[in-house]
Amino acid sequence: GQNIDQPTEMTATEGAIVQINCTYQTSGFNGLFWYQQHAGEAPTFLSYNVLDGLEEKGRFSSFLSRSKGYSYLLLKELQMKDSASYLCAVSGDYKLSFGAGTTVTVRA
Amino acid sequence: GAGVSQSPRYKVAKRGQDVALRCDPISGHVSLFWYQQALGQGPEFLTYFQNEAQLDKSGLPSDRFFAERPEGSVSTLKIQRTQQEDSAVYLCASSLSAGAADTQYFGPGTRLTVL
Repeated sequence: GQNIDQPTEMTATEGAIVQINCTYQTSGFNGLFWYQQHAGEAPTFLSYNVLDGLEEKGRFSSFLSRSKGYSYLLLKELQMKDSASYLCAVSGDYKLSFGAGTTVTVRA
Repeated sequence: GAGVSQSPRYKVAKRGQDVALRCDPISGHVSLFWYQQALGQGPEFLTYFQNEAQLDKSGLPSDRFFAERPEGSVSTLKIQRTQQEDSAVYLCASSLSAGAADTQYFGPGTRLTVL
């Protein structure tokens, strides 16, 4: 089975940094994805990690530790438009198993 | 280029009605997925197509759910005799190839409300 945990909600101030943690226990692993989803919209791809370490992409970075079953998404220089749900998803064989999502609220 | 599109965006059905949800994947994408997303939850896998072949339908909640992709492009998810518990957002995603590490690109979803 698949078990993917992430916090339900986080709040941060504009310009600050927020780290969203994700822990997983899955029967197979072919990589970990992070998606951003604004209310009523499609999930959009942010990052993919398959090897241990940090992947940096502009204001967003994602980290993976396969031995610990742990990942985080780091959002820097927060902007109001970053208010959204962030989904952690593990690829087992071909389908994605998602966590419930973390709602990030950015306040001025 | 054009992304994944879905229609209708919103569907209201009376309990017991049949509904059909359409997905137009990105042109040339081999893999197509359907997910169900309940309010406040992450998407849950329903079914997977590789071209026209339905390789996995293990996530379909009951035999009232049926999906097809007859020509390997457009897909339709059909729900017969809808029930209130079917109310959710139905997301379609496509990816370029059949690889497990391929990025899946999602459509905006169809929000189904069963009264």
